[in-house]
Amino acid sequence: NAGVMQNPRHLVRRRGQEARLRCSPMKGHSHVYWYRQLPEEGLKFMVYLQKENIIDESGMPKERFSAEFPKEGPSILRIQQVVRGDSAAYFCASSPTDRTYEQYFGPGTRLTVT
Amino acid sequence: AQSVAQPEDQVNVAEGNPLTVKCTYSVSGNPYLFWYVQYPNRGLQFLLKYITGDNLVKGSYGFEAEFNKSQTSFHLKKPSALVSDSALYFCAVEEAGSYQLTFGKGTKLSVIP
Repeated sequence: NAGVMQNPRHLVRRRGQEARLRCSPMKGHSHVYWYRQLPEEGLKFMVYLQKENIIDESGMPKERFSAEFPKEGPSILRIQQVVRGDSAAYFCASSPTDRTYEQYFGPGTRLTVT
Repeated sequence: AQSVAQPEDQVNVAEGNPLTVKCTYSVSGNPYLFWYVQYPNRGLQFLLKYITGDNLVKGSYGFEAEFNKSQTSFHLKKPSALVSDSALYFCAVEEAGSYQLTFGKGTKLSVIP
């Protein structure tokens, strides 16, 4: 059973471009969580999704950031018009139920904005 | 609001000695507590969790942690450190039912041969 997959592992974008980060949860998991890790800091919760539904987006910046988890395919975290402050590692986790103590993390996508 | 504090940015310990990585938390309800380890350029690996029951929790790779409700602490311990334990350790808390994990800033553990 493959773990949580994230791609790309590294992404470089110029200021103003769009970044699309993908997360494929573990097989059988229908709950996805996105976290952001800024340099020298812990992970910060961004959003919690179930298939086709956003459950909790209280950690998402109000502008430029969006997330989806369609019925088919991976979850996507989309950042429009990136700025240097968006440079961070973005981690996805998945769980089979809504119990977060069963969260499994992916390897992360490291976004660099130049 | 829930929060986690890891008061030490770095912990150095000699190989074979016991290690402790400290964590204190704040939640308004019952806490679920976790420890994760992160190796360079890798994702987080789950070490152990406290949900309910026995205050002493045993986890992967010989690690254990003790839940202390009165001191709101959940320190990570290991009786004998290995060089391969050198990594970044994160404590996290979830207030029961909140969905969100809140992480501390992490403690870098260096085990010296």
